[in-house]
Amino acid sequence: GAVVSQHPSRVICKSGTSVKIECRSLDFQATTMFWYRQFPKQSLMLMATSNEGSKATYEQGVEKDKFLINHASLTLSTLTVTSAHPEDSSFYICSAVGGLETQYFGPGTRLLVL
Amino acid sequence: KNEVEQSPQNLTAQEGEFITINCSYSVGISALHWLQQHPGGGIVSLFMLSSGKKKHGRLIATINIQEKHSSLHITASHPRDSAVYICAVGEAGNMLTFGGGTRLMVKP
Repeated sequence: GAVVSQHPSRVICKSGTSVKIECRSLDFQATTMFWYRQFPKQSLMLMATSNEGSKATYEQGVEKDKFLINHASLTLSTLTVTSAHPEDSSFYICSAVGGLETQYFGPGTRLLVL
Repeated sequence: KNEVEQSPQNLTAQEGEFITINCSYSVGISALHWLQQHPGGGIVSLFMLSSGKKKHGRLIATINIQEKHSSLHITASHPRDSAVYICAVGEAGNMLTFGGGTRLMVKP
């Protein structure tokens, strides 16, 4: 079946640094990928829609200059959290749209900003 | 905007029990997902439904488009089924709106 990977699975960083999270569709091409965020004991919330070859579309309240998304190829989207702060600590999950418009989810990346 | 409600929020069951988790949404959709999230956070997609019923092993998912309602059933529940089950709705291939999740614990 379709597989989506994320790297890293877990990252701890100091406040003020930038962190890049990769989302890869391993055995299919995905023109669309989604980035979601989940705070503790809360549901997942869509952050942005990433389309290959074009600018990402951000949800209201998500700062595009802080959460940089690059969908450079049909199998890779990256989310960079710039100048991370403790309140950015969260669980970030991507999904990729594959055949029959099915969404396949990555395993997630847990970010802790100290 | 679609409002997605799941019930119950928390559920404790004894091993072997039949379990039902419900999901209601407010706006018509073309796809509904049932997802399983384990304590580590990773998400597994269990089903994607647009109509009717699907079965995979001990899991059964049904959807009633007219009533905007879906149910996830687990037969012969097992402690390894303990997880958070999340309902997510949207248009196929498009962004999803997630329910709050149902935290299931199955005791041996």
